[in-house]
Amino acid sequence: NAGVTQTPKFRVLKTGQSMTLLCAQDMNHEYMYWYRQDPGMGLRLIHYSVGEGTTAKGEVPDGYNVSRLKKQNFLLGLESAAPSQTSVYFCASSYSTAGDGYTFGSGTRLTVV
Amino acid sequence: SQQGEEDPQALSIQEGENATMNCSYKTSINNLQWYRQNSGRGLVHLILIRSNEREKHSGRLRVTLDTSKKSSSLLITASRAADTASYFCATETTSGTYKYIFGTGTRLKVLA
Repeated sequence: NAGVTQTPKFRVLKTGQSMTLLCAQDMNHEYMYWYRQDPGMGLRLIHYSVGEGTTAKGEVPDGYNVSRLKKQNFLLGLESAAPSQTSVYFCASSYSTAGDGYTFGSGTRLTVV
Repeated sequence: SQQGEEDPQALSIQEGENATMNCSYKTSINNLQWYRQNSGRGLVHLILIRSNEREKHSGRLRVTLDTSKKSSSLLITASRAADTASYFCATETTSGTYKYIFGTGTRLKVLA
């Protein structure tokens, strides 16, 4: 049982490049989330999904797009990377929002130069 | 601005001592959770307390919630070096717009 798997673990991008971060969960969770973690800022919600085919904006959605074509996968895309998007990105999933704890992936460290 | 703010930002104690960290939040909540993050890793769920509960225990962890003061505390008793980590509170607000909102964390260092 792998839980939540994020790929890649590390990536360096040049300003203006695009990339997709993949999150996969094998727990049949309905809800999936993308957060970014910056020093002194805690975790901030970028986008989330309440089920296959659905997505919604979080607190800091600008510059990111997401897709949930399959229940087990939640993709985070950066169309034109900017240095301000240098961060550690975490994916999480949960069975519901009714008080269930989140299961987090191990993170993707992204540097935009 | 952050919904949850942990206090202190950093805490250093000796092994065997108790560690207390606090979380204050701004708006009404349905429940509050505490998470641990070891350096360079993802967050791990520790405990959840609902808005109608005042105290919960899980092993060496004790969580209290005071909704009148909009605050929660996490107590780790008889701390161990392995407890060294950052601890975050996360609140599910009654508005539910952004689901769980995380605080900025308390960095705990337990010295052997």
